Amino acid sequence: DADVTQTPRNRITKTGKRIMLECSQTKGHDRMYWYRQDPGLGLRLIYYSFDVKDINKGEISDGYSVSRQAQAKFSLSLESAIPNQTALYFCATSEPGTGVFFGEGSRLTVL
Amino acid sequence: GQNIDQPTEMTATEGAIVQINCTYQTSGFNGLFWYQQHAGEAPTFLSYNVLDGLEEKGRFSSFLSRSKGYSYLLLKELQMKDSASYLCAVKNSGGYQKVTFGIGTKLQVIP
Repeated sequence: DADVTQTPRNRITKTGKRIMLECSQTKGHDRMYWYRQDPGLGLRLIYYSFDVKDINKGEISDGYSVSRQAQAKFSLSLESAIPNQTALYFCATSEPGTGVFFGEGSRLTVL
Repeated sequence: GQNIDQPTEMTATEGAIVQINCTYQTSGFNGLFWYQQHAGEAPTFLSYNVLDGLEEKGRFSSFLSRSKGYSYLLLKELQMKDSASYLCAVKNSGGYQKVTFGIGTKLQVIP
């Protein structure tokens, strides 16, 4: 089983719909992240959380919100999806002195 | 802020050696990562350099020069399965130690 699990893995939705991407981890890491990846733009940080009470905006947080329900769970919400939010989304975890460990990705298509 | 530059694409021959360069500019440096990412999959950790010099791990080696803001990833004895994107990422030295990713270098290994 993967250490960082994302659901759903693939989702097609329509403009204006609310979408939630969920992430859970068994690595025991305090730090969790949400990135999106677009061709030619690389990985961009949406939100990050360094513990349950800590939530921070990344470089592209507009249109997104997050919830850190527990140390092991970090969900990303799109309140009203729009087509330019079509992307591959990655949840990730880390600890001080370690690399960033990624989930398998969630491919979201907004029509 | 941070700026990371790496070539967009490279092609190399099976069995050969290839060097992928990365230059970075950052207000505070706390380490440099290299990741491998196959198309549609999650990035996987390859190496982490904090101090100047060469780190060797099997067929892969990574070099860092902090004074020059420069790193490279060296892949030896190339195999077809090495065809992937290689992401350079920099961790900053601020309180949150954020990791910023370059766009990635797409390597194609040809017979």
